[in-house]
Amino acid sequence: AQTVTQSQPEMSVQEAETVTLSCTYDTSESDYYLFWYKQPPSRQMILVIRQEAYKQQNATENRFSVNFQKAAKSFSLKISDSQLGDAAMYFCAYVRNQGGKLIFGQGTELSVKP
Amino acid sequence: EPEVTQTPSHQVTQMGQEVILRCVPISNHLYFYWYRQILGQKVEFLVSFYNNEISEKSEIFDDQFSVERPDGSNFTLKIRSTKLEDSAMYFCASLSGSLRRNTEAFFGQGTRLTVV
Repeated sequence: AQTVTQSQPEMSVQEAETVTLSCTYDTSESDYYLFWYKQPPSRQMILVIRQEAYKQQNATENRFSVNFQKAAKSFSLKISDSQLGDAAMYFCAYVRNQGGKLIFGQGTELSVKP
Repeated sequence: EPEVTQTPSHQVTQMGQEVILRCVPISNHLYFYWYRQILGQKVEFLVSFYNNEISEKSEIFDDQFSVERPDGSNFTLKIRSTKLEDSAMYFCASLSGSLRRNTEAFFGQGTRLTVV
């Protein structure tokens, strides 16, 4: 069975600094997708970034980028130039190609210090 | 950007009552989901729906729960007889699921269900 693990329940970063959130997963599939979601206090789930497993190039979205290590089954999120609005719970998620359920990690609570 | 829309945003119901949570997924998406999140806890999978039928469900999704896509656009979650422990945020999600295309998975803003 596929699993997703986020080993950092809480992280903290100084405003304007860079922080990396860790995520590992386990799957026997070769074709799948990985996502990072942001959940602010409003509790909405906001898609931050996605990565296709068949692509070697790491995805980037403005200040957000990932380090995707397929062999190691690792998918970390790097937030550069952290802003106060980045403070939220961040979830890593996996889905195999052609559907199936999205599998979530436990979440990492990120706080940003001014 | 395409949106998944959920209504209502907040529902308060008495224990034992039936509730229907509504979702309008993204129109060209293929897979639809319901998840729930009890405050401060992890996101729990309830059910996935593909090709007009349930493709997978969790242990939480017992006989008290049902899903429907009655008119090809709306996607509903019904809880027949609510319990106090059903109080949670319920999220609808849709997944594009196209082979070898950019798979997107978007969530609605959630329905906060409070059972009293």
